Amino acid sequence: DTEVTQTPKHLVMGMTNKKSLKCEQHMGHRAMYWYKQKAKKPPELMFVYSYEKLSINESVPSRFSPECPNSSLLNLHLHALQPEDSALYLCASSQGARRASRTDTQYFGPGTRLTVL
Amino acid sequence: KNQVEQSPQSLIILEGKNCTLQCNYTVSPFSNLRWYKQDTGRGPVSLTIMTFSENTKSNGRYTATLDADTKQSSLHITASQLSDSASYICVVSATAGGFKTIFGAGTRLFVKA
Repeated sequence: DTEVTQTPKHLVMGMTNKKSLKCEQHMGHRAMYWYKQKAKKPPELMFVYSYEKLSINESVPSRFSPECPNSSLLNLHLHALQPEDSALYLCASSQGARRASRTDTQYFGPGTRLTVL
Repeated sequence: KNQVEQSPQSLIILEGKNCTLQCNYTVSPFSNLRWYKQDTGRGPVSLTIMTFSENTKSNGRYTATLDADTKQSSLHITASQLSDSASYICVVSATAGGFKTIFGAGTRLFVKA
């Protein structure tokens, strides 16, 4: 199984809603990532989890709250978002050895298309 | 400053033709360079990954090259197909007490019949 799955595929929410994005992988990877991608732009890193612990937070607003319940799952909780948060949210995973591996490739999920009204 | 620059920004070619995409980087210390293909609205899919000691890697009709001295990479697509229409993103990782990954802006390739 070399797949990263994300649910839902599409999400429309109001600025007062609370929703969650989910990501799952069964490749035994120990590093998981959240990216935000606007149209015609490269993905921007938001969070990195390594061995279920948050290791990188790229100064993301607190209205985005990540959670890693176990080594296979990664959630992104959303609350009080703004219309400018509308984007494609990508999850990725990699082997994530404790020492950085020169061949550590990130495998991406299909993304969740988020629209904030 | 760690940067990855790709050219051209976009490219239109006829089906069956070859093309080459360029990637220049200033990332240091270099760990690896990856090329991804991303269809519109989908997640990126890895095509190749190269480390410092590798200067070419193939994946079907895709061949990537790496010149670590000049910090340049290219992705060559042979006998293009309509399904090759996508964005191609060059991603360079640095090892500096962790993992810093820098994405290029991508090249949008359009293959026409």
